[in-house]
Amino acid sequence: DVQMTQSPSSLSASVGDRVTITCQANQDIGNYLNWYQQLPGKAPQLLIYDAFNLKTGVPSRFSGSESGTNFTLTISSLQPEDTGTYFCQHYHGLPPWTFGQGTKVEIK
Amino acid sequence: QVQLQESGPGLVKPSQTLSLTCSVSGGSVSSGSDYWSWIRQPAGKGLEFIGRIYTKGSTTYNPSLKSRVIISIDKTKNQFSLSLSSVTAADTALYFCARGGWTSFDDWGQGTLVIVSS
Repeated sequence: DVQMTQSPSSLSASVGDRVTITCQANQDIGNYLNWYQQLPGKAPQLLIYDAFNLKTGVPSRFSGSESGTNFTLTISSLQPEDTGTYFCQHYHGLPPWTFGQGTKVEIK
Repeated sequence: QVQLQESGPGLVKPSQTLSLTCSVSGGSVSSGSDYWSWIRQPAGKGLEFIGRIYTKGSTTYNPSLKSRVIISIDKTKNQFSLSLSSVTAADTALYFCARGGWTSFDDWGQGTLVIVSS
């Protein structure tokens, strides 16, 4: 089974900082990875699909990249409205697919 | 954009069956090539895929829950439902319904909290 290890579990950064969140797969999953944002008290929302494609309407400060089995979500300039929890989700093989454990992003 | 709304009891006794319904608006559960899913999130924890049903009726369940889960679709009411039997405290969670394609969960409901307690 594919296991996703997401890190860090939480981070605190200042407005304007560059923030990176990583998900590592335990095997090659190609670029079969999505990123979701869950704002406080809200349902998750798809941010990025296929590792680096932004969903329509997502601000361009968000980006995704892939290097081997490591996937990165980057927020180039953290904004107050970005506070929330971010999850990765792979879709390698057949479902069920698993999510990462989440990264809680807070503003200093 | 498709909108989804979960409904059902917020409190279920241990060993009983948890039943939730997801009402869909702005789209149809019987058209297109969509997958209608249930996902849960225990307090302070990550997301767990429970299962999904395809527009044309086939289902996929998480093996860890498969013996207890049934997901069904009601095209006349534009709804889909989750039934989880023999619940325990470990099933206490925020339950989300979602719509998506084969690989992603594109639209989500707001979630409904279900507590398993006597």
